[in-house]
Formats: sequence, C-alpha cells, structure tokens
Amino acid sequence: AQSVTQLGSHVSVSEGALVLLRCNYSSSVPPYLFWYVQYPNQGLQLLLKYTTGATLVKGINGFEAEFKKSETSFHLTKPSAHMSDAAEYFCAVSGPGTYKYIFGTGTRLKVLA
Amino acid sequence: GAVVSQHPSWVICKSGTSVKIECRSLDFQATTMFWYRQFPKQSLMLMATSNEGSKATYEQGVEKDKFLINHASLTLSTLTVTSAHPEDSSFYICSARDAGGVYGYTFGSGTRLTVV
Repeated sequence: AQSVTQLGSHVSVSEGALVLLRCNYSSSVPPYLFWYVQYPNQGLQLLLKYTTGATLVKGINGFEAEFKKSETSFHLTKPSAHMSDAAEYFCAVSGPGTYKYIFGTGTRLKVLA
Repeated sequence: GAVVSQHPSWVICKSGTSVKIECRSLDFQATTMFWYRQFPKQSLMLMATSNEGSKATYEQGVEKDKFLINHASLTLSTLTVTSAHPEDSSFYICSARDAGGVYGYTFGSGTRLTVV
C-alpha cells in the first residue's frame, strides 16, 4: 500500500525567500515520487520526479527535491520564491510495476510581495 | 514533448443531460489513460483507468454506469457523464501514458463541469 502526506495545506513565503513544501510517503515497494504544480483551472504540470539513482532531483523553474529514504520524505525546495510560483503543489507516489499515482492533498503556496 | 489535449475546458449542462469529455494524446500513442476527479481545494482522486481496446477499470465507489469511459484508439479516450446531477459538478482531469514509456504520464488541462 502507498500513501502520501503533505504537511501544511497552505504555505506563505515572501518573494525571494526559501520555499519548502513538505511531503512524506509510505510505500511497501521502492517508491517513485513526483511533484506537480497546478495553476487555477488547469491541469497538472510535472516539476520533477525521482525513480532511481541520484537522490537530489532538479526540476523545472528552479525547484529541486531530495529523496530521503530514512525519513521517508521528498520535500520540495526552491532557494528564492517568485510571484509566479504561487500555485497548488501536489506530491504523488507510484512504484515499479504499478501505473497508479497516489496524490497528496496538496499545498497552496502563496508568495507575498 | 508529450502533449495531452482535453476538451472542453469548461462546460455547463442541465441536470439530467449527458456530457462527453475528450482526452487526446497529440504526439504519442497512449496505451493507458486515466481519469481523475478533483473537488474544490482537494486532491485528485483516480476514477478509472482505460486501456485501448478494452473495458475501463473503475476505482471502488465510482459508478461505471454513470461515468462511461471509452478508449477506442491509441490517441483518444472519452469520459461521458450520464444523467448529470449537480453533485457531479467537479473538475475532471485526464492523464495519458505513452506506449513506450518515454514520456511517462502527461496530464490534460482539465474540464470544469457545472451541472445546473
């Protein structure tokens, strides 16, 4: 069984500040982990993903995430927030041999001027 | 890159009517497509998985007679909400996986359905 927990349904940061969105997972198989961004009334855009290999994954728009098996975490970070980063962010887990994604409940990021 | 086109982007229909939503993979063949439902300010819930040429697999609690899914070709899957009611109002998103597994999963832009 797999599950995802996103801590903090709402996160506010000042423009230029560090962005940290938390994601913890539970998986009985080696996890594949994903971060997606969703803008209002739009679909999901893949930011980055981890399947195997390097645990620090770099994605688009300056985002990165680190897979920490010991902590069962896959937190999303960005050194300097931009106004255009304001959106909903979803963490998702899947795994080898399965096509299903399990999504977290999402974190709405607000960037303050 | 892989592109999934979903239409319409929004639709308003009267209670009791049916609405069809299309999901097309534009530049790749999608062996598997997924349909999600998203309630306001909530996460995505997988409704069903469709494989080209076979019957869709519905998640527990999803009424297959109400949400008809057809995956007639490697580039097109449709979701038909039959006899729609206001409680069916939601944001529906499709996702497609390419046959070769090169692009992974690509999401459509979603359809906002409002039943009045």
